[in-house]
Amino acid sequence: AQSVAQPEDQVNVAEGNPLTVKCTYSVSGNPYLFWYVQYPNRGLQFLLKYITGDNLVKGSYGFEAEFNKSQTSFHLKKPSALVSDSALYFCAVRVFSGGYNKLIFGAGTRLAVHP
Amino acid sequence: DAGVIQSPRHEVTEMGQEVTLRCKPISGHDYLFWYRQTMMRGLELLIYFNNNVPIDDSGMPEDRFSAKMPNASFSTLKIQPSEPRDSAVYFCASSEGYSPLHFGNGTRLTVT
Repeated sequence: AQSVAQPEDQVNVAEGNPLTVKCTYSVSGNPYLFWYVQYPNRGLQFLLKYITGDNLVKGSYGFEAEFNKSQTSFHLKKPSALVSDSALYFCAVRVFSGGYNKLIFGAGTRLAVHP
Repeated sequence: DAGVIQSPRHEVTEMGQEVTLRCKPISGHDYLFWYRQTMMRGLELLIYFNNNVPIDDSGMPEDRFSAKMPNASFSTLKIQPSEPRDSAVYFCASSEGYSPLHFGNGTRLTVT
């Protein structure tokens, strides 16, 4: 089955420290991978994507993600966290199968950045 | 562009009543998705359309749920009759081809 896993319900980090939010995936074929962020009472906002090319992908608000094919991972990173980064983060994989084209999300990881 | 527009933002209804959620996708987008978000189940894909045609409705929980897309600029998700367990935030999203999805701000549904 094609799926996305986010092993951590919550990640706590001090402001100014680097952050990592983990994601692993299981898909057949080449993965189309995405990260989205959700602020309270809002819809999800696109952060970055990996389709092909350089394994290190840079996105919005200083976030980046590293695609690792051997570990089937796509971890989200930021060198220096801000309090305003506190939000719910979702990893997602776009699935193309049997004529279908849909986005499957992980369970989400709540990031809390403390002053 | 105004983005994906959903209405209403909040809906409170009694069990057994019909509920209709509305979505206006971004102009030019050919894919439209309906998701449901709950604490227990996270984000679930209910149904998606391509060029106004439903492609995969395997996520629709039961026959009480139905979705339509009569034209490229409008879609509805209907629940009839509604039940308390349908309480959730319902999101509509659209995309152009395989580009990232753009989400609306959701409709928070409470069924009492």
